[in-house]
Amino acid sequence: DSGVTQTPKHLITATGQRVTLRCSPRSGDLSVYWYQQSLDQGLQFLIQYYNGEERAKGNILERFSAQQFPDLHSELNLSSLELGDSALYFCASSALGRGGGTDTQYFGPGTRLTVL
Amino acid sequence: TQLLEQSPQFLSIQEGENLTVYCNSSSVFSSLQWYRQEPGEGPVLLVTVVTGGEVKKLKRLTFQFGDARKDSSLHITAAQPGDTGLYLCAGAAGNQFYFGTGTSLTVIP
Repeated sequence: DSGVTQTPKHLITATGQRVTLRCSPRSGDLSVYWYQQSLDQGLQFLIQYYNGEERAKGNILERFSAQQFPDLHSELNLSSLELGDSALYFCASSALGRGGGTDTQYFGPGTRLTVL
Repeated sequence: TQLLEQSPQFLSIQEGENLTVYCNSSSVFSSLQWYRQEPGEGPVLLVTVVTGGEVKKLKRLTFQFGDARKDSSLHITAAQPGDTGLYLCAGAAGNQFYFGTGTSLTVIP
């Protein structure tokens, strides 16, 4: 158990819909990262937040948005869903969110999104 | 765009054999990490290497970061069934984090 929690574990929805994925970081961690894992694209970095502020942005679509709240939990919002958005979405947290990849990231168990 | 290519993509070996997984890129990374992911779970960090030419050993696992900080390898000695999983390398460049294509390892008892 990494200490990172994600809800829901599974989500099935239809094209065009909007969903919200939730992540609670490990106690004391200030930084949250979101990743998408699919069979054809592998694990892709989407976005990072540090203490409520956006710190880095990766391959995140404009239809997707995220935020980190004062209690440090984070939500990833996916809208106008397409079939290709079906994937595992992981949240990770780290203590400081330092650049250079030296900060250890702890991954949650993921949310499996299926778009029908 | 996949900056980090791993080889082989799939590997099935007998218990007790040795193996090496490669992670290659044309880009330079400030650090490189190796993760193992089991089905239904998130990746778990195994090691971080930050210096070109660095070698780190973790029990039966040996990790090496290339001199030019563009590539890395993971060598497992005397593989065990518990080593089965998806191995991912990940490189940091600026404030971006890139994962490799992955190597799925199966160790047969």
